[in-house]
Amino acid sequence: SQQGEEDPQALSIQEGENATMNCSYKTSINNLQWYRQNSGRGLVHLILIRSNEREKHSGRLRVTLDTSKKSSSLLITASRAADTASYFCATAQGGSEKLVFGKGTKLTVNP
Amino acid sequence: GEEVAQTPKHLVRGEGQKAKLYCAPIKGHSYVFWYQQVLKNEFKFLISFQNENVFDETGMPKERFSAKCLPNSPCSLEIQATKLEDSAVYFCASSRQGFYGYTFGSGTRLTVV
Repeated sequence: SQQGEEDPQALSIQEGENATMNCSYKTSINNLQWYRQNSGRGLVHLILIRSNEREKHSGRLRVTLDTSKKSSSLLITASRAADTASYFCATAQGGSEKLVFGKGTKLTVNP
Repeated sequence: GEEVAQTPKHLVRGEGQKAKLYCAPIKGHSYVFWYQQVLKNEFKFLISFQNENVFDETGMPKERFSAKCLPNSPCSLEIQATKLEDSAVYFCASSRQGFYGYTFGSGTRLTVV
């Protein structure tokens, strides 16, 4: 069943701008992860945030988690054309190692 | 670097034929997962293994899909009597125990004609 729901579904910005994507989920989680998928390729793991963390940074990426609202956001600062890809959030629940993925946000960064 | 190797990259099967996909996970990773992606959207979970044992098979269409992860062999996902709706990209991923991120393979694109 669908757990993470990203919004927006598609986002188009200019190089140098920031991109923000949001993810909402329904049940309690152990952690939430963000992945990137370039066209025709597999998912690449970007960042993992545990349920007891509120914010995490990795390079130009910033992830926040609000467990009270069951939501997360991914911010990409100073975007580049190479950031053009689809971005998926995924949640791990309970004792399961299984990740449940959302439908993704398609980000286009125009040069 | 370490990678999850999936073969073949592309597979075309006539409706009713068998399809077999392979995945070599990263050594030392305890978990293997299979996901199906249709139309570049949602990733549907199929099955997971912890070492050679089925861990969670709640996503598997029981009648035609089967999967194995045997020692010293690539993991496999087999679809008997393929249907048009099985056309998708099938991704394999592996991870260490303890809620780390997955490492995905590049996928096998299955086209059923």
